[in-house]
Amino acid sequence: AQSVSQHNHHVILSEAASLELGCNYSYGGTVNLFWYVQYPGQHLQLLLKYFSGDPLVKGIKGFEAEFIKSKFSFNLRKPSVQWSDTAEYFCAVYSGGGADGLTFGKGTHLIIQP
Amino acid sequence: GAGVSQSPSNKVTEKGKDVELRCDPISGHTALYWYRQSLGQGLEFLIYFQGNSAPDKSGLPSDRFSAERTGGSVSTLTIQRTQQEDSAVYLCASRRTGTGELFFGEGSRLTVL
Repeated sequence: AQSVSQHNHHVILSEAASLELGCNYSYGGTVNLFWYVQYPGQHLQLLLKYFSGDPLVKGIKGFEAEFIKSKFSFNLRKPSVQWSDTAEYFCAVYSGGGADGLTFGKGTHLIIQP
Repeated sequence: GAGVSQSPSNKVTEKGKDVELRCDPISGHTALYWYRQSLGQGLEFLIYFQGNSAPDKSGLPSDRFSAERTGGSVSTLTIQRTQQEDSAVYLCASRRTGTGELFFGEGSRLTVL
């Protein structure tokens, strides 16, 4: 079964700092990659996704992620975070097929201090 | 509908009671997932429905948990004889056909006293 690893469970940054959240996966074939975000008290929503093409994808609110196939990675980045970016971030990998074709990481709790 | 709808949004019940949680997915999405999210924890996969195929129940934590999906649309997650450790947010998501993109509902927060 595939696995998804998010390296940091808790990250605390100050406003305007740069952000990079790591995500690595284990599946060796073709994948779709996602980052979801869950703001406090809200439901999970899509931040950005990669299906094919340009490995650098841009999402909402200034976030971007880079797919590096050789490293099985899909790290999330933002050059300058804001207090409103405080949230839980989940990386997910879809390799097709049944339930085990979609795997989430354990999430990273990001806290931005004003 | 425009999005995934879940009800109730909040449910408080007494230990030992049965509860039913409902999910109405996005029209046309054939795949439907249930997850559980406990406080400060990640997403725990519970069950997966795909069209008319037999559901993948491999994530259900005990035989007190069951789910069904009627007519390939609405799904109901049932927890019998609830326990305090069942307290969590239960999330439903439907998947866009051909991709792994999930659309989540707002969740049903279950509190077992």
